[in-house]
Amino acid sequence: EAGVVQSPRYKIIEKKQPVAFWCNPISGHNTLYWYLQNLGQGPELLIRYENEEAVDDSQLPKDRFSAERLKGVDSTLKIQPAELGDSAVYLCASSLARGPGELFFGEGSRLTVL
Amino acid sequence: GNSVTQMEGPVTLSEEAFLTINCTYTATGYPSLFWYVQYPGEGLQLLLKATKADDKGSNKGFEATYRKETTSFHLEKGSVQVSDSAVYFCALNNAGNMLTFGGGTRLMVKP
Repeated sequence: EAGVVQSPRYKIIEKKQPVAFWCNPISGHNTLYWYLQNLGQGPELLIRYENEEAVDDSQLPKDRFSAERLKGVDSTLKIQPAELGDSAVYLCASSLARGPGELFFGEGSRLTVL
Repeated sequence: GNSVTQMEGPVTLSEEAFLTINCTYTATGYPSLFWYVQYPGEGLQLLLKATKADDKGSNKGFEATYRKETTSFHLEKGSVQVSDSAVYFCALNNAGNMLTFGGGTRLMVKP
């Protein structure tokens, strides 16, 4: 079974440029998450989707970040414009159902803003 | 709110040494507790979990016991290997399917 797939793995951009990250969750997983992981820190939730509905986006900086999950499968996270402080790893995860289940993570997309 | 605190690393051990990584949490109610591991160049993966007080999670020789009285979930392994070198994250789930992570502890095992 394929795991969570993210792309690109690495992205280097200049500040004020836009960037987008893509995530394909495990087939059949209706819950999808985007986490932010700064260097040397634990992941922090940005947004959680149940199917195509964003059910928790309280930590998403909405002035520059946006996300979508069309048709309840793939998801895209966008930053426009990027700032130096956005340099981090953006993790996507998926899970099968609500409750204390296991989250499956992708390898992450490492963003460097110059 | 929910929070997880784990010991800062790096933790450096020799092969076959005993490992303890401390984890304590703050949460209302009865959260589920997890340890995730991140090997170099790979994504986070679940190592073990416990869903109620006094439960013991175990996997690959690692163990952790859910201690409600001390709000702790310390990770232990009796004899570490070089291949255990990774970053370990303690996490809790207290609302739906949302994980709150600790800051991570890097383990380095030397041959």
